[in-house]
Amino acid sequence: NAGVTQTPKFQVLKTGQSMTLQCAQDMNHEYMSWYRQDPGMGLRLIHYSVGAGITDQGEVPNGYNVSRSTTEDFPLRLLSAAPSQTSVYFCASRGESSYNSPLHFGNGTRLTVT
Amino acid sequence: AQSVAQPEDQVNVAEGNPLTVKCTYSVSGNPYLFWYVQYPNRGLQFLLKYITGDNLVKGSYGFEAEFNKSQTSFHLKKPSALVSDSALYFCAVREEGSYKLIFGSGTRLLVRP
Repeated sequence: NAGVTQTPKFQVLKTGQSMTLQCAQDMNHEYMSWYRQDPGMGLRLIHYSVGAGITDQGEVPNGYNVSRSTTEDFPLRLLSAAPSQTSVYFCASRGESSYNSPLHFGNGTRLTVT
Repeated sequence: AQSVAQPEDQVNVAEGNPLTVKCTYSVSGNPYLFWYVQYPNRGLQFLLKYITGDNLVKGSYGFEAEFNKSQTSFHLKKPSALVSDSALYFCAVREEGSYKLIFGSGTRLLVRP
């Protein structure tokens, strides 16, 4: 099992560019989520999904889109990048059979927007 | 809406001494509480959780946490700190009826030899 795999590890964008952060898990987890980590602010939930075809907003959804066409994949799209989106992004998943099972995290994508 | 607070940005302890990392929470209904640890350039790793039952929860690497409902706290503890415990620690809460896990701002633990 690879667990949760995030690509790329690093990315530099110019303001206004678009890109997709990829997240894939091989544990057949129903629940997947995206967080951003900023110094002094901890992790903030961007979007989450409880299964294929179902997504919902977290604490800071503006500027980000998600879709969930398969159980395995949960990409995060930035349509028009802004410097305020410079952050480290983490994808995490857990089995839906228990809302209290631990989250499994990827190793993160460090994004810089200039 | 649920929220969690970690009042200390950094905790410094000497190796061999006990450590405490503080966490308080706010939820409607029953809280489900978690501690995670993050090492440099890595994702978060699960340490322990409180769902129901005994107020003292034991987890990985010798860590434990005490749930106190009246004080709405869930402090992380370890009887004897190791230098290798130095890392960033996050408290998180899930509110009953919600899918979302909300994290605190994190506390950096520095254990000096």
